[in-house]
Amino acid sequence: AQSVTQLGSHVSVSEGALVLLRCNYSSSVPPYLFWYVQYPNQGLQLLLKYTSAATLVKGINGFEAEFKKSETSFHLTKPSAHMSDAAEYFCAVSRGYSTLTFGKGTMLLVSP
Amino acid sequence: NAGVTQTPKFQVLKTGQSMTLQCAQDMNHEYMSWYRQDPGMGLRLIHYSVGAGITDQGEVPNGYNVSRSTTEDFPLRLLSAAPSQTSVYFCASSWDTYGYTFGSGTRLTVV
Repeated sequence: AQSVTQLGSHVSVSEGALVLLRCNYSSSVPPYLFWYVQYPNQGLQLLLKYTSAATLVKGINGFEAEFKKSETSFHLTKPSAHMSDAAEYFCAVSRGYSTLTFGKGTMLLVSP
Repeated sequence: NAGVTQTPKFQVLKTGQSMTLQCAQDMNHEYMSWYRQDPGMGLRLIHYSVGAGITDQGEVPNGYNVSRSTTEDFPLRLLSAAPSQTSVYFCASSWDTYGYTFGSGTRLTVV
């Protein structure tokens, strides 16, 4: 069965600092992996997805993630945090029948 | 093109009441699913459907019922609401394993 582990329920960074949000997955088949962002009281917005093409995936708002099969990881990074990046981030893996298994989420806090 | 439409956006129910959360998509997607979001738990799959007339249970199906009579609609029914069903509910549709469209959610409070 597919599962996702997000390390750290909260991550705090200063504006301009590197953002690193960690995601590890387990999957019995080559996975499709996703990162979503949720702003307060809003729905889910897709940041990026890995579908077995390039291992380095670029998404919206300057985010990117690298698929590392040997580490079963799909960490999300952004070189320079902005105040507007403050939100909750979810990593997810496709579980078949076109459904997703989500991690528990990481709240990103950005301080001035 | 509306995508996935969920109604209502907000709802307050009393314990024991029943209600239906509506989900409709206009993209002719075969696959539809329901998730609930609770603080610190991420989103968890309730029920899903791979086509009209075909549904199956996800991780947390107890207390919920679904049916899929048309490709467009996938309603979620709460037969007897409980406070533990207070949550935000999201409906999603997809045409394959890596292209998902989510609705804007329904915030349900059971008192």
